[in-house]
Amino acid sequence: EAQVTQNPRYLITVTGKKLTVTCSQNMNHEYMSWYRQDPGLGLRQIYYSMNVEVTDKGDVPEGYKVSRKEKRNFPLILESPSPNQTSLYFCASSFRTAPRNEQYFGPGTRLTVT
Amino acid sequence: AQTVTQSQPEMSVQEAETVTLSCTYDTSENNYYLFWYKQPPSRQMILVIRQEAYKQQNATENRFSVNFQKAAKSFSLKISDSQLGDTAMYFCAFTSPNAGGTSYGKLTFGQGTILTVHP
Repeated sequence: EAQVTQNPRYLITVTGKKLTVTCSQNMNHEYMSWYRQDPGLGLRQIYYSMNVEVTDKGDVPEGYKVSRKEKRNFPLILESPSPNQTSLYFCASSFRTAPRNEQYFGPGTRLTVT
Repeated sequence: AQTVTQSQPEMSVQEAETVTLSCTYDTSENNYYLFWYKQPPSRQMILVIRQEAYKQQNATENRFSVNFQKAAKSFSLKISDSQLGDTAMYFCAFTSPNAGGTSYGKLTFGQGTILTVHP
């Protein structure tokens, strides 16, 4: 089944404790991105990657890092999480000819930073 | 920069009736795509319908249709014969194939509209 998986689905952590949210897709998509969803703001892009070893900042990259060492994986790293990073996070992927091709979203990760 | 605005934070409708969700956008691009996504309580993002700006014909998908007014930069979603399963947050989104740099492939979302279908 074609899908985007994220782990964990739920995470509660404390300020400053490094964490990684994994994202994996099995559709051989070149393009992957991370979004955060906050009430009243919709979804905003954090980082994106057009292919292996090619990443760039989106609209709200502060406090986040990403890497793309393999085509299928695109982890999101919070090296020192803060409460303002409490949010719902989505990973998405598509073929590089986006937007002609549909972007597939993962199930979301609910992160709470206390 | 592109912006997408959904001015209705919440809407409600009776089962079997029709409801229209509003969306306006701003862009200087001539070629772009518009989408409506549904997010049910499970939080999964589900593509409902897509409209290509160069197509004059409004897109339809079963009970879902859009009213695309390019000159007015308006893109509303009409849900006919509303069902309880339509209860969800709905997001309008924009992207442009001509956008370069940090806008490549990016979906710009509106704030969302919570739709509740009452029995």
